[in-house]
Amino acid sequence: AQKITQTQPGMFVQEKEAVTLDCTYDTSDQSYGLFWYKQPSSGEMIFLIYQGSYDEQNATEGRYSLNFQKARKSANLVISASQLGDSAMYFCAMRGTYKYIFGTGTRLKVLA
Amino acid sequence: DTAVSQTPKYLVTQMGNDKSIKCEQNLGHDTMYWYKQDSKKFLKIMFSYNNKELIINETVPNRFSPKSPDKAHLNLHINSLELGDSAVYFCASSQAPIRGRNEQYFGPGTRLTVT
Repeated sequence: AQKITQTQPGMFVQEKEAVTLDCTYDTSDQSYGLFWYKQPSSGEMIFLIYQGSYDEQNATEGRYSLNFQKARKSANLVISASQLGDSAMYFCAMRGTYKYIFGTGTRLKVLA
Repeated sequence: DTAVSQTPKYLVTQMGNDKSIKCEQNLGHDTMYWYKQDSKKFLKIMFSYNNKELIINETVPNRFSPKSPDKAHLNLHINSLELGDSAVYFCASSQAPIRGRNEQYFGPGTRLTVT
């Protein structure tokens, strides 16, 4: 069975600093996809970044990068130069067959 | 302009009632989903449909019945509402999640409160 684990229920980071949100996964599939979504307090789910299991380079999207370590089955999200607007819940997800499995989320608070 | 829309945004009702939530996407996606997000923010897949066919039913009680009249719509009907059904329900869509990026696009959510 596929599983996503996010072990950090909450994190604090100082504005303008970088922060890493942890995500580990478990799957027996050779081909899979990993995603990160952001959920601000307003409630909407926003796609941030994607990493395919066969992608050799770590994915980057602006200030977001994904530190993909296949052997360790980890897909950590790195946010550089944190901004106050980055305060939100962050979910790691894996693509299964016709479904996506989500982790329990990490609540990030950016401090001024 | 809205990619995935849901109605209503808020739903307050009493135990035992029947209610429906509607979802529409204008992205041309062939796969749609319903998720339930509980008070602890845990997001759990309930159903997924591909080309109007039910693909995934994650051990959801029979009181929940999804219906997909066409590829752009996926509605959720809930019978005999219970207190435990209180949650935020998200509709989402994507291209078939078989390979490649195919990220999901989420609706704004429907906050259901059962009293």
